[in-house]
Amino acid sequence: AQKVTQAQTEISVVEKEDVTLDCVYETRDTTYYLFWYKQPPSGELVFLIRRNSFDEQNEISGRYSWNFQKSTSSFNFTITASQVVDSAVYFCALSEHTSGGSYIPTFGRGTSLIVHP
Amino acid sequence: EAGVAQSPRYKIIEKRQSVAFWCNPISGHATLYWYQQILGQGPKLLIQFQNNGVVDDSQLPKDRFSAERLKGVDSTLKIQPAKLEDSAVYLCASSLIFRDREAFFGQGTRLTVV
Repeated sequence: AQKVTQAQTEISVVEKEDVTLDCVYETRDTTYYLFWYKQPPSGELVFLIRRNSFDEQNEISGRYSWNFQKSTSSFNFTITASQVVDSAVYFCALSEHTSGGSYIPTFGRGTSLIVHP
Repeated sequence: EAGVAQSPRYKIIEKRQSVAFWCNPISGHATLYWYQQILGQGPKLLIQFQNNGVVDDSQLPKDRFSAERLKGVDSTLKIQPAKLEDSAVYLCASSLIFRDREAFFGQGTRLTVV
């Protein structure tokens, strides 16, 4: 079963629109960590946010905001007033405990966001 | 602070040939990851090191892929022999040892097997 589901393959918006990228995860752990990364055309993944399973507070950072809801196993990402520079592939990732004692990060398939001028 | 360095950036080889990728993590980062990213997909973890020990290599095709991390710093990933389906971007990442730390990624090596 897929541990991290990003159902939206591609989203296309016009500049200044708000856009929400969905992420649904699956885990049996009570302690786990969720991340969002941005991958611009250059290819390097850029860390955006980390959230642990005990902290359900929503977070806002400039035009970015994240909504973590354990009840629905979702960790959605909203960009307010999108800009062309936001065009990239966005990945949601889950880090959970393995039987070997380590924490292994698993990535979703990504959502490609295209912001048109 | 210098980022994760990877080389080469691009590599084209014929199937059944061998190839090696190199990664230099951020100084002080004990954890190092190799990911394979096939076009249109998310990164898939191949192997995770903590210092020079392997933490997880459950998704590494061990019949053809090998990786090592000498002295707990630099790492190399090798494919021998390569198959067409190995065409992908190979990403190296590093992080502090703690379980909740984010990973910092290099720019990757784009491998094309023809």
